[in-house]
Amino acid sequence: DADVTQTPRNRITKTGKRIMLECSQTKGHDRMYWYRQDPGLGLRLIYYSFDVKDINKGEISDGYSVSRQAQAKFSLSLESAIPNQTALYFCATSDPLPSSGRGETQYFGPGTRLLVL
Amino acid sequence: DQQVKQNSPSLSVQEGRISILNCDYTNSMFDYFLWYKKYPAEGPTFLISISSIKDKNEDGRFTVFLNKSAKHLSLHIVPSQPGDSAVYFCAASANNQGGKLIFGQGTELSVKP
Repeated sequence: DADVTQTPRNRITKTGKRIMLECSQTKGHDRMYWYRQDPGLGLRLIYYSFDVKDINKGEISDGYSVSRQAQAKFSLSLESAIPNQTALYFCATSDPLPSSGRGETQYFGPGTRLLVL
Repeated sequence: DQQVKQNSPSLSVQEGRISILNCDYTNSMFDYFLWYKKYPAEGPTFLISISSIKDKNEDGRFTVFLNKSAKHLSLHIVPSQPGDSAVYFCAASANNQGGKLIFGQGTELSVKP
C-alpha cells in the first residue's frame, strides 16, 4: 500500500466552485506539504504544516486554504476555483530527524490533476 | 525570483552513454540538495542527495556533484538506461528555513535505445 495517498486523482470543476483535495499518510511523519506543479515552473509550495497545530503559508498560498485534521491527514481547499488553478497538485511528508546523514527528505503522493473550467 | 534553476528543459541521450543534468542556485544558505525523479502520472520520488559539506555523493549509477563556489550541482547517470527516461527535479533546502524544499523547473530526460 502507498505511504502517501491523495484523493481524488483527477477532478474537473467549474469556476467559482469550492473543492477539497485530501492527503493521507501512513509514514508517521509530522511534517506535511502541499505543492502545485505547472509546466516550466517546477513544484511550488502552497502550504506546509510541521505538526497538527502548526500551519504555514508557502510561496503561493493566495486562493488556497488548508486543514490539518490529524497527524496523518492534510487537506487543501480551493474556496472559489479559478482557471489558473488548473495544475497538478502534490502532497508530501517528511521526518525532521536526519536519516543516515541525508538530512530531511520529502516523500510525495501520486498527485491530483485538477482542471478548472 | 528563481532560487533554483534548471536551464535545460529537456535532454536526449543514447542508451549506455552518460546523462548529465545540471542545476544552479543563488541562495548561499542552502545546505542540502536533492534530486527527484518523476514518471508520468506518479509523484516525484527521491533519487539522491548531497550535503553542502561534501562535493560528491555516489549511489550506483547515479552521482551528484556539488560545486559550492559556482553554486552549481549536477547529476550524472552512467550508463543511461531507457527506464531512466523521466523528469528530474533538483531541490535545495536551508536549515534556517525549516527544511522547506525549493525546486527547480525540471529537466525531461529521454534515453533512446
